Amino acid sequence: DAKTTQPTSMDCAEGRAANLPCNHSTISGNEYVYWYRQIHSQGPQYIIHGLKNNETNEMASLIITEDRKSSTLILPHATLRDTAVYYCIVRVGGGSNYKLTFGKGTLLTVNP
Amino acid sequence: DVKVTQSSRYLVKRTGEKVFLECVQDMDHENMFWYRQDPGLGLRLIYFSYDVKMKEKGDIPEGYSVSREKKERFSLILESASTNQTSMYLCASSLLDKTVQETQYFGPGTRLLVL
Repeated sequence: DAKTTQPTSMDCAEGRAANLPCNHSTISGNEYVYWYRQIHSQGPQYIIHGLKNNETNEMASLIITEDRKSSTLILPHATLRDTAVYYCIVRVGGGSNYKLTFGKGTLLTVNP
Repeated sequence: DVKVTQSSRYLVKRTGEKVFLECVQDMDHENMFWYRQDPGLGLRLIYFSYDVKMKEKGDIPEGYSVSREKKERFSLILESASTNQTSMYLCASSLLDKTVQETQYFGPGTRLLVL
């Protein structure tokens, strides 16, 4: 799976949009971009994933650049409960690679 | 919503004890996984299973075994617990899809302390 680079930490004011960047310059054509988050002492929570088109669900939006070398996760109206470590993962399509590997992620702190 | 449950949130055991960690998922997923998570080491795969009675070793299977007697249940067994098995244990499940990379859904985790 391609390597990803994320900032170590970010702050966001409650009610504002949180934009979390991820660089994956070595991504290949069959690799998906996944985002998970982990609130302290809890299991990781799936947020969203995409291949090349932008995606939106009830939790967040995922914007992938045209060259697919970077992406941004957007939480449109951050709340205090969104404080967590956010992991950007790039994974190949197809069922042969089962393992999920988290890097260090970005600690997002939402401030009142 | 996918639900993955784990039998305990916190567990304290003594060295040498046999420990059972249970995981149940309610979405009829074929794949189930056991990971451990330690500070600075990230997520490490212990075992996974893609079908009932099937199991595959992950990256760190030593000291662990697993059991998958029913599709919805995947158990992790520490045959003789040791202090270096103190960790956060995470269970996950996913559909088996050969065409796209499946999304793994995690349980809340079991924080195990071995004294």
